[in-house]
Amino acid sequence: GAVVSQHPSRVICKSGTSVKIECRSLDFQATTMFWYRQFPKKSLMLMATSNEGSKATYEQGVEKDKFLINHASLTLSTLTVTSAHPEDSSFYICSAPPQGSSYNEQFFGPGTRLTVL
Amino acid sequence: AQSVSQHNHHVILSEAASLELGCNYSYGGTVNLFWYVQYPGQHLQLLLKYFSGDPLVKGIKGFEAEFIKSKFSFNLRKPSVQWSDTAEYFCAVRPSNDYKLSFGAGTTVTVRA
Repeated sequence: GAVVSQHPSRVICKSGTSVKIECRSLDFQATTMFWYRQFPKKSLMLMATSNEGSKATYEQGVEKDKFLINHASLTLSTLTVTSAHPEDSSFYICSAPPQGSSYNEQFFGPGTRLTVL
Repeated sequence: AQSVSQHNHHVILSEAASLELGCNYSYGGTVNLFWYVQYPGQHLQLLLKYFSGDPLVKGIKGFEAEFIKSKFSFNLRKPSVQWSDTAEYFCAVRPSNDYKLSFGAGTTVTVRA
């Protein structure tokens, strides 16, 4: 089946620093990728939709200047948490529907655990 | 905006017991429905999905789900669970005219050997 990877799997950083998380589709192309945030014992909340070659679409309440998204190619999207603070600590998950699949199935990455001290 | 509710936060049962997890959604239009599973330390995997046709959907690992349109429900079932079914289960809904998935809060299932 299709595989989505994320790097790093976990990161610990100091407050005020920026952290970049990569999401790659390994064996398929994706013009769209989704970034979710998952709180403990909570659902996945969609943060933004990453679009290859154009600006990302952010959900209401998500600060676009804080969570920078770049969809550099058909297999790579990056999420940069700028000036991270402890409240940004969370589990970040990306997903990607294969190009042309009409979003009928999304393949999820393993997630990145971010801890901001 | 649509919402998805899962009735059980944590379910504990013994091997060979039957499992049913509730899922209800609020959206008036046509929807696509999904159940995902997240095993400990692993990424989300698709268990089964419903788009149209037979409302009883069979998925992987012996799971099935039934779409009841009048009740806005898509409950997940397995007749006899195994220890390896211990995982987090998420119901998700996508309006057929949209690309966004909305997830329920998840149900933790613990199967005791």
